[in-house]
Amino acid sequence: QSVLTQPPSVSGAPGQKITLPCTGSSSNIGAGYDVHWYQQLPGTAPKLLISGNNNRPSGVPDRFSGSKSGTSASLAITGLQPEDEADYYCQSYDTSLRIWVFGGGTKLTVL
Amino acid sequence: EVQLVESGGGLAQPGGSLRLSCAASGFTFSRFAMSWVRQAPGKGLEWVSGISGSGVSTYYADSVKGRFIISRDNSKNTLYLQMNSLRVEDTAVYYCAKDYTGIFYWGQGTLVTVSS
Repeated sequence: QSVLTQPPSVSGAPGQKITLPCTGSSSNIGAGYDVHWYQQLPGTAPKLLISGNNNRPSGVPDRFSGSKSGTSASLAITGLQPEDEADYYCQSYDTSLRIWVFGGGTKLTVL
Repeated sequence: EVQLVESGGGLAQPGGSLRLSCAASGFTFSRFAMSWVRQAPGKGLEWVSGISGSGVSTYYADSVKGRFIISRDNSKNTLYLQMNSLRVEDTAVYYCAKDYTGIFYWGQGTLVTVSS
């Protein structure tokens, strides 16, 4: 059980906007630590999608955006495309565990 | 071009040991923290261990603390993970990663299978 909670699955139709939540606590996101987001396609290494809460690395489409508020963060994807079907993970630092932690991941299905 | 190439994975018996290596190139290795992240079959990502650029500071998830040892040889641009007292639940793909968080560069992963 991760200290960062993500829904196991989310689905959306092509062209739709979806939001993937990442719920933490006062010992991680709520303590002000940055949240990062990764996309993982089957059989491949994770890819950094959003760093430092809302920054897109070069090459990441602007359809992807991140936000953070209080003890939670979210990844928004607009104009959903079939190739967005993947697993998505959030990551932050936890002061109680004193290590960096990942959320359990959300599997996005594009209907 | 940054490259991270893991090796050393394979089959081990419960209670056994394995040592993973990660050969790094394309950046000044000694200036950056490094991590190991694993993913059990069909499961999510788990941050396992990290080490500072100098090697002085090390960090471990509770699940591996006391059994795994992370180290680095900056003269060889290589990261290591010594895995002792292996358990069935350590079965996973182990990724080498540059930095602790906000990880842009990942290795291709090496599979560790713990089974009798």
